[in-house]
Amino acid sequence: ILNVEQSPQSLHVQEGDSTNFTCSFPSSNFYALHWYRWETAKSPEALFVMTLNGDEKKKGRISATLNTKEGYSYLYIKGSQPEDSATYLCAFHQGNNRLAFGKGNQVVVIP
Amino acid sequence: ETGVTQSPTHLIKTRGQQVTLRCSSQSGHNTVSWYQQALGQGPQFIFQYYREEENGRGNFPPRFSGLQFPNYSSELNVNALELDDSALYLCASSLGRGVSTDTQYFGPGTRLTVL
Repeated sequence: ILNVEQSPQSLHVQEGDSTNFTCSFPSSNFYALHWYRWETAKSPEALFVMTLNGDEKKKGRISATLNTKEGYSYLYIKGSQPEDSATYLCAFHQGNNRLAFGKGNQVVVIP
Repeated sequence: ETGVTQSPTHLIKTRGQQVTLRCSSQSGHNTVSWYQQALGQGPQFIFQYYREEENGRGNFPPRFSGLQFPNYSSELNVNALELDDSALYLCASSLGRGVSTDTQYFGPGTRLTVL
């Protein structure tokens, strides 16, 4: 069983503030790391697929970095808006046809 | 909008019963994966099908079974339901055969409650 840990579990952010959270995963046998954004009552939506150590990806105000040697990824939200309220899931690809998910980072942006 | 749909949205069953959950993948996606998300947990991998053959299985008992059909639809069947089977069940479709960089496109899930 591979442990994928996300912290903090939940956070409240004032509108306009920037925030970040962490996904930790096993540093051995790394294949890929996926980030998903999941709004309540909707389907999880793919944000990024990251494969290389040092990767940085960006989508609008959301960006992510990857460190495969130490086994972590950071997700950043710049200038948080109420529509950023969601649960952000990271998933580690184990190389055997499956994704191992963390429990998610629940973000609430306060107007 | 991912184009992946699931039915039903919600379902209530009693212990011992059997249930079938359905998923319609994006057209052209040969792989479907099923996940169980219990309360307070992340999604847990149940199994994956590629072109109608099982292509990997997580730590779930044999009473969890699946089918994939040529028309990009699939089913998750659970026999002898237990209270702990109460969860959100997600399906996700992807293009390749378990490729690590393939994006999985998720449906909105089926909420199963076992009483």
